[in-house]
Amino acid sequence: NAGVTQTPKFQVLKTGQSMTLQCAQDMNHNSMYWYRQDPGMGLRLIYYSASEGTTDKGEVPNGYNVSRLNKREFSLRLESAAPSQTSVYFCASSEEASDTDTQYFGPGTRLTVL
Amino acid sequence: AQSVTQLDSQVPVFEEAPVELRCNYSSSVSVYLFWYVQYPNQGLQLLLKYLSGSTLVKGINGFEAEFNKSQTSFHLRKPSVHISDTAEYFCAVNPSGGYNKLIFGAGTRLAVHP
Repeated sequence: NAGVTQTPKFQVLKTGQSMTLQCAQDMNHNSMYWYRQDPGMGLRLIYYSASEGTTDKGEVPNGYNVSRLNKREFSLRLESAAPSQTSVYFCASSEEASDTDTQYFGPGTRLTVL
Repeated sequence: AQSVTQLDSQVPVFEEAPVELRCNYSSSVSVYLFWYVQYPNQGLQLLLKYLSGSTLVKGINGFEAEFNKSQTSFHLRKPSVHISDTAEYFCAVNPSGGYNKLIFGAGTRLAVHP
């Protein structure tokens, strides 16, 4: 049982390049989330998917798109990377989108945009 | 808007000493409260959560937290820390009645010294 997995672990991009961060969970969870973590700011929600087939914006969605490919997978795409998107990105999942449910986090992707 | 304040960005402590990590939140509505731990180069892991009932919540690894509604606080404590407790600790809130959209504090880095 791997839990939540993310690929890649590290990535360096040039300004204007695009890339997709991949996330998968094997816990049969309905809800999935993308966060970014910046020094001194904690984690901020980018997008979430309450259930398969739905996605919604979080606190900081600008510059990102997401795809809930199926129940297991939730990808985050940067169409034209900017230095302000240098961050550590975490994917998480929970059984339901209920406000009491525990979220389970992946190990993160460290992204640098030059 | 909801916010979470972790009053100390860093807390140095000697092994076997007690520790308290402070967390205050701003809310005019009911909230659910969480503490997560992030070990170096890993994702976040749930330590404990308060949903309702007893205001003293016990979590993993000997940690506990006390919910104080009048002071809007949810401080984390451990009576005797170990070197292995060195990590970053995040307090988070989830307003009740909504989706699972955690709002995180900036984090407190706990450094346990021998």
